Amino acid sequence: DIQMTQSPSTLSASVGDRVTITCRASQSISSWLAWYQQKPGKAPKLLIYKASSLESGVPSRFSGSGSGTEFTLTISSLQPDDFATYYCQQYNSYSGLTFGGGTKVEIK
Amino acid sequence: QLQLQESGPGLVKPSETLSLTCTVSGGSISSSSYYWGWIRQPPGKGLEWIGSIYYSGSTYYNPSLKSRVTISVDTSKNQFSLKLSSVTAADTAVYYCARHLRGRYCTNGVCQIDYWGQGTLVTVSS
Repeated sequence: DIQMTQSPSTLSASVGDRVTITCRASQSISSWLAWYQQKPGKAPKLLIYKASSLESGVPSRFSGSGSGTEFTLTISSLQPDDFATYYCQQYNSYSGLTFGGGTKVEIK
Repeated sequence: QLQLQESGPGLVKPSETLSLTCTVSGGSISSSSYYWGWIRQPPGKGLEWIGSIYYSGSTYYNPSLKSRVTISVDTSKNQFSLKLSSVTAADTAVYYCARHLRGRYCTNGVCQIDYWGQGTLVTVSS
């Protein structure tokens, strides 16, 4: 099975900050990685797919990069609506899909 | 606008079978462009993929749950369902149904999730 490790698990930041979240795969997943945002009591929302493709309707301050085993999600200027938990997910394994443990972005 | 709605008991006894149904509206479950899946999230914890199904009935399951999971589809009702047997307290979670994009370059054809249901809490307790 492919394990996905996110860091940090919690991040404290202020409005306007540039924020970077890292996701590492236990083996190469090419670019088959998605990022989701989840707010309390709500279903996750797709932000990025295929490592760097922005989902329709998602603000351009969100961007993704990486390939192989190391990936990043960047928020260029953190907005009040961005305080949430972020998950990466790989979809390159014949054993199925796996999620990272999540990164909670908190107000500093 | 596509909508997915989970339904089923909110309380299940230990050792029994958890059964949930997802009703899809605003789109056809028989589209060749999508898979349909179940994901769960224990309270305060992360997300776990349970399994996914194509309208033809092809299924892919999480290896760690495979022995207890059955996912089925009813195209006439535009629904798909989850059965999880021999449940314990560890199966207490919010259960989401979801739509995956299907792509020839994604492993097993199952790609990212673009639509989610609102989720339903299932508690396993006597």
